[in-house]
Formats: sequence, C-alpha cells, structure tokens
Amino acid sequence: QQQVKQSPQSLIVQKGGISIINCAYENTAFDYFPWYQQFPGKGPALLIAIRPDVSEKKEGRFTISFNKSAKQFSLHIMDSQPGDSATYFCAATVNQGGKLIFGQGTELSVKP
Amino acid sequence: ETGVTQSPTHLIKTRGQQVTLRCSSQSGHNTVSWYQQALGQGPQFIFQYYREEENGRGNFPPRFSGLQFPNYSSELNVNALELDDSALYLCASSLGGFGTDTQYFGPGTRLTVL
Repeated sequence: QQQVKQSPQSLIVQKGGISIINCAYENTAFDYFPWYQQFPGKGPALLIAIRPDVSEKKEGRFTISFNKSAKQFSLHIMDSQPGDSATYFCAATVNQGGKLIFGQGTELSVKP
Repeated sequence: ETGVTQSPTHLIKTRGQQVTLRCSSQSGHNTVSWYQQALGQGPQFIFQYYREEENGRGNFPPRFSGLQFPNYSSELNVNALELDDSALYLCASSLGGFGTDTQYFGPGTRLTVL
C-alpha cells in the first residue's frame, strides 16, 4: 500500500511535443504529490507539486493532473525541449515533510 | 543549486567494511532525510532526523545508522557492508515541521561495494 507505480519506464518525444508520465498510488492517506527531475550525476530537484484538494496545477510548461477517485496523477510537459531530457520521478508523502515514497522513474529523451 | 552538499562524491569499499557519508544541510534547515537510490530505481527512504533525533525510519536494517549535529551537518553510517549496499546515497534537507516543507536534495554519494 506504500507503493507508487510509475509509467512508462522510458519515453522518447520529439522537440515541441507533449511528454506525459503517469503515476498511481494505493494509500489514500497520501496528501502531497511532488514531481522531481534528476539529471545524471545530480540529486533530484523539485519540479512541481500538488495536493489532492485540486485537480490540476500548472507552472510554466509543466502541469500536474490529479484524479483523486482513480488514485492517479500525471505530469504533462508541454513544448518539450532537449534540455528536458532527464529522469522524472513522481512521489507521494503523508505530511509534506515526511518520508517520500518515489515511483520507479521515467527516463525522458527529447529529440531535436 | 540547493545548497545541500555531500561528501565524498564517490567511494569504493569492500564487503564487511564500514562507511560514513556526510551531508551539510542548508542553513536553518532542522530536518535531514537520507535515501538510497539503486541504479535505475527511485530513491528509498532510510530515515529522517529532526533536531538531532531520529524521526522516522524506512525498511532498512539497524546496521544503517545516522547522526545529526547542531551545525546542520549529518552522517549516515553503514556497518558490515554488503554488495547490495552499492547505490547512490542522497540526503535531503528541509526547514522542519510537517505540512510545510519541501525537501531539497544534495548531489549524492556514489558508494560501490566490492
């Protein structure tokens, strides 16, 4: 019940396209859902986060869509750029500062 | 850059040895969490310290231990190293106080156990 399942494992998108990464969870106590971006040799960096009281959050080209009843959330990257090529992790936690449960990661490659 | 630093960057040990990894949190951050990231996997929570006290632990054996110091630095100690301990070890700092914090990750220490 503590798992967060992420798909796809890898994704190739053309420059300017939309990248979509999906996550699903079981624990209904989760109340904070961040997305992290990780470049090779670096630690994960917070990209955008959402709480379950809203269905969508947008920051620039990045949008989280949240479906509480389905226990699913997704990251959409609009106008994908080669610089977006990285590994993306969804995560969930009970209380924002508590332990983060991460998905398995999606390796995104944006082709020029 | 998050302001969270870790040392060393890379480390090679042999099975059975002990290792200490270090983390320096952002100034003012009272909470530090440690994660283990195996190759191709998401980070796994090891434990969290808040104001020098352990404040939650993941599914890791007691040979994984930690310390947090008043100067915003912390340590992760691993005894009796096993081959499966080879991973990237990440620390993340946050201000402290549930419900308010974003965790900021350091670049990690790559541990290889031979």
